[in-house]
Amino acid sequence: EAGVTQFPSHSVIEKGQTVTLRCDPISGHDNLYWYRRVMGKEIKFLLHFVKESKQDESGMPNNRFLAERTGGTYSTLKVQPAELEDSGVYFCASSQDPARSYEQYFGPGTRLTVT
Amino acid sequence: SQQGEEDPQALSIQEGENATMNCSYKTSINNLQWYRQNSGRGLVHLILIRSNEREKHSGRLRVTLDTSKKSSSLLITASRAADTASYFCATDASNFGNEKLTFGTGTRLTIIP
Repeated sequence: EAGVTQFPSHSVIEKGQTVTLRCDPISGHDNLYWYRRVMGKEIKFLLHFVKESKQDESGMPNNRFLAERTGGTYSTLKVQPAELEDSGVYFCASSQDPARSYEQYFGPGTRLTVT
Repeated sequence: SQQGEEDPQALSIQEGENATMNCSYKTSINNLQWYRQNSGRGLVHLILIRSNEREKHSGRLRVTLDTSKKSSSLLITASRAADTASYFCATDASNFGNEKLTFGTGTRLTIIP
């Protein structure tokens, strides 16, 4: 079974540009999460999808960040316009229905560098 | 201190010795999960312990949970060079589980061959 995949693995953009990150969860996982780790600090929650619906977006830092999960499969996270403080590693995770399992499985992350 | 704070921040031991890492948290939890991150790579799920469990084993890993003290420990026995990594605890404070995780700052473990 394939794990969570993320694309790209690394992105370098200039301040003011737009970047779109993609996450493909484990097949059959309804829950999809975005997290990020900025400048060596703790990994912080951004938002949580259940299928195509946003369950919790309390961690989204501001309206420059837009996450979508059309069709309830893969998800995208767009940053527009990017700022220097957005640099960090963006992780995606997925999990099954809580009646079956609580474990969240993480992808390898996308390292975003804004210059 | 923050939710999910590990100590020590860094730990170096000889190969073959046991490594113990601790995690403290502030709020009530549904479950606590431990993850490993090798340098520059993603997070690997190690073990999950539910709030009604006190101890759990998986191979060379042993996790304990003390909800009265709001703390957990991860023990790695007979350490190997491949165990060198950063280890994070993460708590789920939701009522039913499977919601956002709150991560600690991590413990950097170095196994000396």
